[in-house]
Amino acid sequence: AQTVTQSQPEMSVQEAETVTLSCTYDTSESDYYLFWYKQPPSRQMILVIRQEAYKQQNATENRFSVNFQKAAKSFSLKISDSQLGDAAMYFCAYRSPTSYSGGGADGLTFGKGTHLIIQP
Amino acid sequence: EAQVTQNPRYLITVTGKKLTVTCSQNMNHEYMSWYRQDPGLGLRQIYYSMNVEVTDKGDVPEGYKVSRKEKRNFPLILESPSPNQTSLYFCASRPLTGGLETQYFGPGTRLLVL
Repeated sequence: AQTVTQSQPEMSVQEAETVTLSCTYDTSESDYYLFWYKQPPSRQMILVIRQEAYKQQNATENRFSVNFQKAAKSFSLKISDSQLGDAAMYFCAYRSPTSYSGGGADGLTFGKGTHLIIQP
Repeated sequence: EAQVTQNPRYLITVTGKKLTVTCSQNMNHEYMSWYRQDPGLGLRQIYYSMNVEVTDKGDVPEGYKVSRKEKRNFPLILESPSPNQTSLYFCASRPLTGGLETQYFGPGTRLLVL
């Protein structure tokens, strides 16, 4: 079974600075999908960014970018120009390729989360 | 508007009193699933469904049941709730084609079992 590890339970950054949240995972598969989700105090799960393993280019969404190191099984999230609205729990998640035969849970495997605090 | 709805949003109940949390999506998605979120544990999958009448266990299915009689609905049933099922529950849906398609989450249901 795949596992996802977020080694930083909590991170703090000054507003307007850059912060990197770490995520590592364990898998024997060669193709898979990786996601970062944001959960603000409202508890809504919001997709931040996603990456397909066979694509070498790191995904970018505005101020959010990832550093995907497939060999190291690492998928860190970088937030540039941090804003107060970025304060939230951040979850890294892994998903296997869809199995049309129905095998496997095919769900998301989540890390335990990193609580990001933005200091004004 | 594309969305996943859950009801109720908040529920306080007592041990052993059967309850159902409803989930509905309006995107014609084949795949639906339930997760529970506990402090320090992240989200864990309870059950999932790949289509009508097709359901299967996730990582933490004990104490839960589901049904998928219609494509849009995927209720979560707790036949005899216990305090260890106190948690935040999320329903989610996405197209079965998988890949990088976005998984849509409901707003969550906070359950307290006394």
